[in-house]
This record gives sequence, structure tokens and C-alpha cells, in this order.
Amino acid sequence: NAGVTQTPKFQVLKTGQSMTLQCAQDMNHEYMSWYRQDPGMGLRLIHYSVGAGITDQGEVPNGYNVSRSTTEDFPLRLLSAAPSQTSVYFCASSYGTGEYNEQFFGPGTRLTVL
Amino acid sequence: ILNVEQSPQSLHVQEGDSTNFTCSFPSSNFYALHWYRWETAKSPEALFVMTLNGDEKKKGRISATLNTKEGYSYLYIKGSQPEDSATYLCAYHSGGGADGLTFGKGTHLIIQP
Repeated sequence: NAGVTQTPKFQVLKTGQSMTLQCAQDMNHEYMSWYRQDPGMGLRLIHYSVGAGITDQGEVPNGYNVSRSTTEDFPLRLLSAAPSQTSVYFCASSYGTGEYNEQFFGPGTRLTVL
Repeated sequence: ILNVEQSPQSLHVQEGDSTNFTCSFPSSNFYALHWYRWETAKSPEALFVMTLNGDEKKKGRISATLNTKEGYSYLYIKGSQPEDSATYLCAYHSGGGADGLTFGKGTHLIIQP
């Protein structure tokens, strides 16, 4: 199993550009989430999904869209990039709820918005 | 926004000493409490997921306890080794499992040889 994969690993955007961060998992996990990590802020939840076709907002959803058309994929779209979105983005998946909700994290995408 | 607090923010410990740190979380609407270990330049890895008040979990020299009534969890490391140096995150899960996780800012642990 590849686990949770994320592409790209690094990206530089100009303000106003749009892009999609890709996330895929091959563990047949129902739950998938996107987090951003900023210095002094810890991991903050952007959006999450409890299954294909179901998404919900986390703590910091503004400026981001998600969709979950398959169990495997959970892309994160930046609609119009802003310097405040410079961050490291982590995708995570988990099997289910309760004791089965252990998060498996991808390697991260480091995004810089100029 | 849920308040998940970890203390201390950072900790220097001599190799061989034992240490512990705290995660505080809302005691209402509790569903689960997670602990993760996050090494520099890597991704967080799960240590424990605890769901029941009074839970105690152990993995090697690392153990954790949970008190859901008062809203805290302790992580203990016995006989610290240099490889234990990492940031330790806790995460609170509420809403019957339908909500996402809220992470604390972490305790940055440095083991000095």
C-alpha cells in the first residue's frame, strides 16, 4: 500500500492564481481531511469528508473548496490564492470513527503564495 | 472553535529521565482523544486513540491516561531517549464522530544526551 499520497510536494503561486492539491489513499478509508500547518498555530482543519459525496467545513474553510467523488481521492482547490494561504498542507485519512479514527497523514505539500 | 490546550509548549529533558505533559479539552460532547508524535520533516504518526474515561494505553516506554469528566489527558515517557525528541500533538474529537478533529499546538520535546 502507498498509504496517503499528496501531490505536488512543493508549489509556488502568484496571488490570484488557482490550483488543486491532490490527495489519494489506497486503504479504503471512509474519512479524509485537509489540514494546514502554520508556525505557532498547530494543525488546523480546513475541510473533511466522512464518505464519498459528503464534505463539511472545518475551522478555516474560507478560500478553499473540496469534493469527494470517490473513496480514494479528496482534492483541495484554492480558488484565488492569497499570501495568507502560504502554509504546509496535510491530507489525512482514517478508517472510521471512535477507536478506528486514527489519522494517517500524507507527506504534505508546501505552498508559497507570492 | 473548540479549545484544546497543551502544556508545556516545549520541554528539555535529560536522557534517561522520565517526563509527562498535558492535553486539556472540553469535557462536554466528548467522543475521542488522540495523541500523535511528529518528528521534524516527517508527518504526524498516531500513538493512541482513547475513547473511555479512565482509559490507559501503553506503547513501549510511552503511555497515556484519559479523564473525560475533567477534560484532560496525560502523556508519559519513561526513561527518555534521544529518539523521543519530537513534537507531541493531542487532538480532540467531538460530535459523535461526525465532526473533524481539533488539534492542540503541541509540546515540543527535546531530549539532551
